[in-house]
Amino acid sequence: GAVVSQHPSRVICKSGTSVKIECRSLDFQATTMFWYRQFPKKSLMLMATSNEGSKATYEQGVEKDKFLINHASLTLSTLTVTSAHPEDSSFYICSARSHGAGGGLEQFFGPGTRLTVL
Amino acid sequence: AQSVTQLDSQVPVFEEAPVELRCNYSSSVSVYLFWYVQYPNQGLQLLLKYLSGSTLVKGINGFEAEFNKSQTSFHLRKPSVHISDTAEYFCAVSETDFNKFYFGSGTKLNVKP
Repeated sequence: GAVVSQHPSRVICKSGTSVKIECRSLDFQATTMFWYRQFPKKSLMLMATSNEGSKATYEQGVEKDKFLINHASLTLSTLTVTSAHPEDSSFYICSARSHGAGGGLEQFFGPGTRLTVL
Repeated sequence: AQSVTQLDSQVPVFEEAPVELRCNYSSSVSVYLFWYVQYPNQGLQLLLKYLSGSTLVKGINGFEAEFNKSQTSFHLRKPSVHISDTAEYFCAVSETDFNKFYFGSGTKLNVKP
């Protein structure tokens, strides 16, 4: 249980185009999903917190008009990188929060999406 | 905000030797603690977690970690490593609402034959 998927796993796009990345909770409902970015040889940085049916909360320094997040249902959140540039190339990882086996909340991570902008 | 420190960016070790990867965090409040492993071009895989109870936590692949509240540490150990353990390991802290995860900078474990 508690599986989170991401699609696509890899995407290559031209500079100036937009790319959409999907994050799905496959066997549970996630009222909250999170988007992280991992720079090469560095750790994961939280970009934004996405709550179903409401606007995402962005971390300081993250451009909300650049990284559009939509959480339209309890099992799907999308991240759209608009007008992508080479500096947006990165590994994007989502996670979803769910109730764990002990009744408390837990966060489960997706496998990541490698974005390369040419 | 939480701060998670992984002092060792790289740890080289020979196969079948023991290893310890260090993690310290800054919080003075109750937190949950995690270790994740990341293989090249892959996502995070949960190794183990401490939520409550026994301070010695056993995880997958023979790894274990010990929560030390007084030292605010959560070091990861394995008594005998394999080549296949070569990967990057991340320590993470979450406050008890699981609202945010704070990650350390990662430790690359390089197991040599």
